[in-house]
Amino acid sequence: GQQLNQSPQSMFIQEGEDVSMNCTSSSIFNTWLWYKQDPGEGPVLLIALYKAGELTSNGRLTAQFGITRKDSFLNISASIPSDVGIYFCAGRSTTDKLIFGTGTRLQVFP
Amino acid sequence: KAGVTQTPRYLIKTRGQQVTLSCSPISGHRSVSWYQQTPGQGLQFLFEYFSETQRNKGNFPGRFSGRQFSNSRSEMNVSTLELGDSALYLCASSLGTVSYGYTFGSGTRLTVV
Repeated sequence: GQQLNQSPQSMFIQEGEDVSMNCTSSSIFNTWLWYKQDPGEGPVLLIALYKAGELTSNGRLTAQFGITRKDSFLNISASIPSDVGIYFCAGRSTTDKLIFGTGTRLQVFP
Repeated sequence: KAGVTQTPRYLIKTRGQQVTLSCSPISGHRSVSWYQQTPGQGLQFLFEYFSETQRNKGNFPGRFSGRQFSNSRSEMNVSTLELGDSALYLCASSLGTVSYGYTFGSGTRLTVV
């Protein structure tokens, strides 16, 4: 199936550090969404981006919709232990399907 | 406001059997989508329903089918189960188009033995 390329695949960081992850596609997307998934639960929406170049924040999280409409990044500042989980990007394709990235597994050490 | 409810949470089935999973969306949400999540393949789109009509479909074999009822509740059916169908099946609901973002349920963990 179709997927977005998300990197890095996993990250092991110390509490207080900043985190950056990104998503790229060969296709144009009209909307970018970022989700976080905790073990045993469904993904939870963190940030939604609707226009190329848009930069949106949600607390310590900041995400941007790339100018080319083919990429997006998510930054987490001053990480804390509860940031642990898997982060997924998702893009709305021109056929109106929501395609998910491969995920970034984040581990935060105290 | 109740979230997306999926039942059952866990299921064990034997190869060759069929299974039906249920999803109740958030009240007022008319769009329901289904995803299969496996460690190797990530989140794969199965299909999306809006007002009882299938609006979009992923690249899964015909053994995977779904439907949506007039109250927006949705069911997903997998016939002739294979070992590779073992996965977490996630349902998500939305107000309308994908742009609103999906709210996911906790999923149904299906194990095929």
